[in-house]
Amino acid sequence: GENVEQHPSTLSVQEGDSAVIKCTYSDSASNYFPWYKQELGKGPQLIIDIRSNVGEKKDQRIAVTLNKTAKHFSLHITETQPEDSAVYFCAASSGGGSNYKLTFGKGTLLTVNP
Amino acid sequence: DTGVSQDPRHKITKRGQNVTFRCDPISEHNRLYWYRQTLGQGPEFLTYFQNEAQLEKSRLLSDRFSAERPKGSFSTLEIQHTEQGDSAMYLCASSLAPAYYEQYFGPGTRLTVT
Repeated sequence: GENVEQHPSTLSVQEGDSAVIKCTYSDSASNYFPWYKQELGKGPQLIIDIRSNVGEKKDQRIAVTLNKTAKHFSLHITETQPEDSAVYFCAASSGGGSNYKLTFGKGTLLTVNP
Repeated sequence: DTGVSQDPRHKITKRGQNVTFRCDPISEHNRLYWYRQTLGQGPEFLTYFQNEAQLEKSRLLSDRFSAERPKGSFSTLEIQHTEQGDSAMYLCASSLAPAYYEQYFGPGTRLTVT
């Protein structure tokens, strides 16, 4: 089955700096790669996603890049703000058959220091 | 759009007791997923429903676990004879055709087995 590795496990940046989180996946059939933000005591919130036919996607201060050949994808957050502090999860889905279940990485705790 | 809701938010039970959680998906979302999240880990797939049909169960879902979605709307997850290892956050997500991969999560039910 799919295996998703995520790093770093913790990341501390100063407000205004950029943050980058990287993930690798194992199943070449995976074609959908979402990123979720999870705040303490809350469920994961979908913040951005990318399909395998796209190399990069941006939404304001966040962007995701995908390299299907190398099987890795990354989340980039620019101009970080204290409210960006949370745990971020990458995930992958093959969409094979009809399941579309998500396989998640272990998460990155991002701390943005004012 | 009221989002995915889950009830209760927190449940403390003694080992050996039965517990039941409820999930109400986003209105008209015909697909519903259950995931389990333990401390420091990403969510792990348990099972999913297409309308009222349960189409796949993870090997994580032992015989003590049962899930239903009787009318294709809300779903329940029951754990019988709870064990301390069942302590986790139980997350529900829903999605809508054709974007089944785009899953929206509820706030979760945190189960503590003492």
